[in-house]
Amino acid sequence: SQKIEQNSEALNIQEGKTATLTCNYTNYSPAYLQWYRQDPGRGPVFLLLIRENEKEKRKERLKVTFDTTLKQSLFHITASQPADSATYLCALDGGTSYDKVIFGPGTSLSVIP
Amino acid sequence: GAGVSQSPSNKVTEKGKDVELRCDPISGHTALYWYRQSLGQGLEFLIYFQGNSAPDKSGLPSDRFSAERTGGSVSTLTIQRTQQEDSAVYLCASSLEGVAADTQYFGPGTRLTVL
Repeated sequence: SQKIEQNSEALNIQEGKTATLTCNYTNYSPAYLQWYRQDPGRGPVFLLLIRENEKEKRKERLKVTFDTTLKQSLFHITASQPADSATYLCALDGGTSYDKVIFGPGTSLSVIP
Repeated sequence: GAGVSQSPSNKVTEKGKDVELRCDPISGHTALYWYRQSLGQGLEFLIYFQGNSAPDKSGLPSDRFSAERTGGSVSTLTIQRTQQEDSAVYLCASSLEGVAADTQYFGPGTRLTVL
């Protein structure tokens, strides 16, 4: 069955540094990979989507890479700020209307002032 | 509407009781999803609606769980004879068409505690 793994440990980084979060998957070939942010007590919020034929996608301070050979996506936040502290979820989308989106367990990020 | 809303925000119930959780999707969104999130766990898919039909019920954990959607809008998730392992946050999301790469917009969730 499909399996998604994200950084098992919470990530603590200093303000201003680049945070890098990892998403690895097995037994799946997603057409799309999405990243969401979730704050405590709230539902996830969509951040970025990257297609299988795209290597990299950027949005402001966010950058996502997608390596279908390694079955891995990296999510980078540059010039991190305390407001970036949250849990970040990656999600795999098979690309057809019959495929449900599969979410990873998430990585908790804390940006220390 | 401005966003996906869910009610109640918190529900505490006794083991064996039935509960109903409500989701109001964004107006005009044809697809609606229910997920369950336990502490420290990822989102567990429960059911997906396209309009009023549920083409994918594969995630419902047992026959104690059921869901319906009426008028292509509001959805209700019902859990009968609740058990302690049902305690979790139940999240609802909607998307415009439910097609691939469609963005899902999530509600704030209902935190269910079964005593």
